Amino acid sequence: GAVVSQHPSRVICKSGTSVKIECRSLDFQATTMFWYRQFPKQSLMLMATSNEGSKATYEQGVEKDKFLINHASLTLSTLTVTSAHPEDSSFYICSAYSREGRLEQYFGPGTRLTVT
Amino acid sequence: AQKITQTQPGMFVQEKEAVTLDCTYDTSDPSYGLFWYKQPSSGEMIFLIYQGSYDQQNATEGRYSLNFQKARKSANLVISASQLGDSAMYFCAMREFGGGADGLTFGKGTHLIIQP
Repeated sequence: GAVVSQHPSRVICKSGTSVKIECRSLDFQATTMFWYRQFPKQSLMLMATSNEGSKATYEQGVEKDKFLINHASLTLSTLTVTSAHPEDSSFYICSAYSREGRLEQYFGPGTRLTVT
Repeated sequence: AQKITQTQPGMFVQEKEAVTLDCTYDTSDPSYGLFWYKQPSSGEMIFLIYQGSYDQQNATEGRYSLNFQKARKSANLVISASQLGDSAMYFCAMREFGGGADGLTFGKGTHLIIQP
C-alpha cells in the first residue's frame, strides 16, 4: 500500500520557538494532504487541508498564522508551528489520498511535539 | 452535534471471541463514506475497512466486516475471532462527498483490549 512518512517522529522545543514537521508521500503523488492533531486519549481533529500549489484550507478555530502549511510539491507538505507554547504540545499526523483515486487516506506515523 | 458517535470508550473481550464496535453518524449529505481505522499504542493509523453510502452490500476485509444500517445511520465494525494483536484504539470516521471538503471527521474512539 501507499506509504506516507513524517519527520521528525518526536521533537522537543522551547516555548517561543518554531518547529517544522515534514510529511512526504513516498511512492505516490499527493495533490492533497491533510494535517490532524490528536491530544492524549482523544480523537483526531482535522486542522487543515494542504493543496499542492495553492493556499491551505484551515478548519474553523485553527490559527493559520500559527500553523503555517506549505505544499510545495506533489510529495511534500510541511507544517510549521510558530511561536510554540506548551498548549501546542500534541501528536500531529498527516495523511494523503493517492492520485489513483483510492478512497482511504494513508496516514503518516505522526510527530509527537512537546513544548517546554 | 457530533457527526460521529462511538458510545463505547473501552471494551474488554476474550481472545477468539467476536467483537462489535459501535458507530453512529449524522449527515444530510446523501453521498458519504464511512471508515474504520485502528491505532495501536505506536500511534500509526491503520486503515481497516470502507463503506460507501450507496454500496448495496456490507463491506468485508478478512476478519473485519462492517454492519451498515443506513436507515439507522449506524456503521458498526465486527471483528471475528479476535486476537491479542487486535488490542488498540479503533476510530470510526466519515467523509462527506457533497460538500467539497475531503478531510475525515473522526469519532472519539473505542479502546479495545483483548484478554487471553
